[in-house]
Amino acid sequence: NAGVMQNPRHLVRRRGQEARLRCSPMKGHSHVYWYRQLPEEGLKFMVYLQKENIIDESGMPKERFSAEFPKEGPSILRIQQVVRGDSAAYFCASSLPGQGETQYFGPGTRLLVL
Amino acid sequence: AQSVTQPDIHITVSEGASLELRCNYSYGATPYLFWYVQSPGQGLQLLLKYFSGDTLVQGIKGFEAEFKRSQSSFNLRKPSVHWSDAAEYFCAVTSGTYKYIFGTGTRLKVLA
Repeated sequence: NAGVMQNPRHLVRRRGQEARLRCSPMKGHSHVYWYRQLPEEGLKFMVYLQKENIIDESGMPKERFSAEFPKEGPSILRIQQVVRGDSAAYFCASSLPGQGETQYFGPGTRLLVL
Repeated sequence: AQSVTQPDIHITVSEGASLELRCNYSYGATPYLFWYVQSPGQGLQLLLKYFSGDTLVQGIKGFEAEFKRSQSSFNLRKPSVHWSDAAEYFCAVTSGTYKYIFGTGTRLKVLA
């Protein structure tokens, strides 16, 4: 059973470009969570999604960031007009319905903004 | 506000020595507690978790942790450290819902 998959593992963007990060949850998991890890910090919750629904986006920056989890395909975290401060590791986790206390983390995408 | 504190940013131990990494939490409800390890450039690997029951929990790679409610602590221990244990360790807590709160991590260095 494959774990949570994220791609790309590393992404380099110039300021002003768009970054798209993908997350495929574990098989059977329909709940996805995104976390951001800034340099020298712990992970911070960004958003919780179920298929076609955003449940909690309280940790998302108000501008430039969006997330989706379509009926088919991976969850996407999108960052528009990236700035240097967006450089971080972005982790995705997934869980079974009703078991959000047990999340399985992916390997992360390391975004570098030049 | 809910929070997790890992007081030690860096710890250095000699190979074969014992290890204790500290974690304190501030949480109103009964917490669910986790320890994760992150090797450089890698993702998070779950070492162990505590939900209820026996307050001493065993994890992978020879790690254990003890939940002490009176001290609001969940310290991670290993009796004999191996060089491969060098990594960053994160403590995390949740109330049983989905929103994990992570500490800022402790970076472990192991001397040969």
